[in-house]
Amino acid sequence: DAEITQSPRHKITETGRQVTLACHQTWNHNNMFWYRQDLGHGLRLIHYSYGVHDTNKGEVSDGYSVSRSNTEDLPLTLESAASSQTSVYFCASSESRGYTDTQYFGPGTRLTVL
Amino acid sequence: GENVEQHPSTLSVQEGDSAVIKCTYSDSASNYFPWYKQELGKGPQLIIDIRSNVGEKKDQRIAVTLNKTAKHFSLHITETQPEDSAVYFCAGVQGAQKLVFGQGTRLTINP
Repeated sequence: DAEITQSPRHKITETGRQVTLACHQTWNHNNMFWYRQDLGHGLRLIHYSYGVHDTNKGEVSDGYSVSRSNTEDLPLTLESAASSQTSVYFCASSESRGYTDTQYFGPGTRLTVL
Repeated sequence: GENVEQHPSTLSVQEGDSAVIKCTYSDSASNYFPWYKQELGKGPQLIIDIRSNVGEKKDQRIAVTLNKTAKHFSLHITETQPEDSAVYFCAGVQGAQKLVFGQGTRLTINP
């Protein structure tokens, strides 16, 4: 069955280190998204991509970067991790840019920055 | 841009009773409103959605209503069951596929 996976599921790192969170989907979806989830804020969009080599900034993109070299993967990189980036990160994908297309979410990565 | 407010943040109901979660949005141009359910340790999952040309939509025990004039929409769950316990998120759409989420409601069903 097609799915969307994230790795690692849990990560502890130190302030200032570079961290990369992986997201892989097997639906062949064009669109991929990264969100962070914090208490009281719901899910907030970090970066998104509508296709290979396309990337766009979301609401809370500072300190994060993404690159899309193939359809299946959209890794999220924290260039220099900060304690404020301690959060649960979710990747999602959808088929097309139609506004009613369902976004399918991965299981999440819990990141702790010490 | 779009701003979505969700209430209440926590809701506790007796099994078999109904639960209602309300959201308001700011952008009158918004035309699509999905609802997601998130179970513990999992990612959000779409449970129902509504387009702006429809006032109500039902799917078994869940329904969503939309009031475009007042810019608010609500999720209704009837005959609640223990498996309905989860965090629920409403969302609006800002541009192509850009979801703006409410803050979430933690629903607890008491046996």
